[in-house]
Amino acid sequence: SYELTQPPSVSVSPGQTAKITCSGEALPKKHVFWYQQRSGRAPALVIYEDTKRPSGIPERFSGSSSGTMAALTITGAQVDDEADYFCYSIDPSGDSWVFGGGTKLTVL
Amino acid sequence: QVQLQESGPGLVKTSETLSLTCTVSGVSITNFYWTWIRQRPGKGLEWVGYIYYTGGDAKYSPSLKSRVSMSVDTSKNQFSLQLTSVTPSDTAFYFCARGGGDYEVDFWGQGTLVTVSS
Repeated sequence: SYELTQPPSVSVSPGQTAKITCSGEALPKKHVFWYQQRSGRAPALVIYEDTKRPSGIPERFSGSSSGTMAALTITGAQVDDEADYFCYSIDPSGDSWVFGGGTKLTVL
Repeated sequence: QVQLQESGPGLVKTSETLSLTCTVSGVSITNFYWTWIRQRPGKGLEWVGYIYYTGGDAKYSPSLKSRVSMSVDTSKNQFSLQLTSVTPSDTAFYFCARGGGDYEVDFWGQGTLVTVSS
């Protein structure tokens, strides 16, 4: 079955840049979406179609994709950004969607 | 604004059927895809499947395909999930959300915990 691979954890100090990666063999042809999930809450969309930011999401959140690797970058991370982040994309067949395993971002 | 609310039993017995309904407000259920996602306690997100509002296009996770079905009731602005022959490994928070097909999942319900136990 298709897999998206993320690092389990990323840690930065406040004000630093956090970069969370997501790798998958179909990413050269399929969009990636990123979700933030704070503790005890439902996930929230922070990046769609690789690089687009929904209204209300701070500009410090950005997305990129090149080849089989996509990335979510938080420039000037804040303590409030501490959360789990999941990438999401469709498998090569186009029949099912898959989440990455999630990355726990610590900002302290 | 768009709001989704899951409802259904919080406890289901092993081997029985899990049934959940998602009530959508703030937008008509028509012209959209609708998705179910689950999350075992302390674990990652797992895509369960999606359905188009007409019911004519539905896709399910390969690992759950033999046990899952979804339906839409446009008159009530609701869509539903049924998962048969459940086991304790189906214990999870179940989220309903807008999106699916080729479209991103953008709005989520708050999630509901379903525990499977004998």
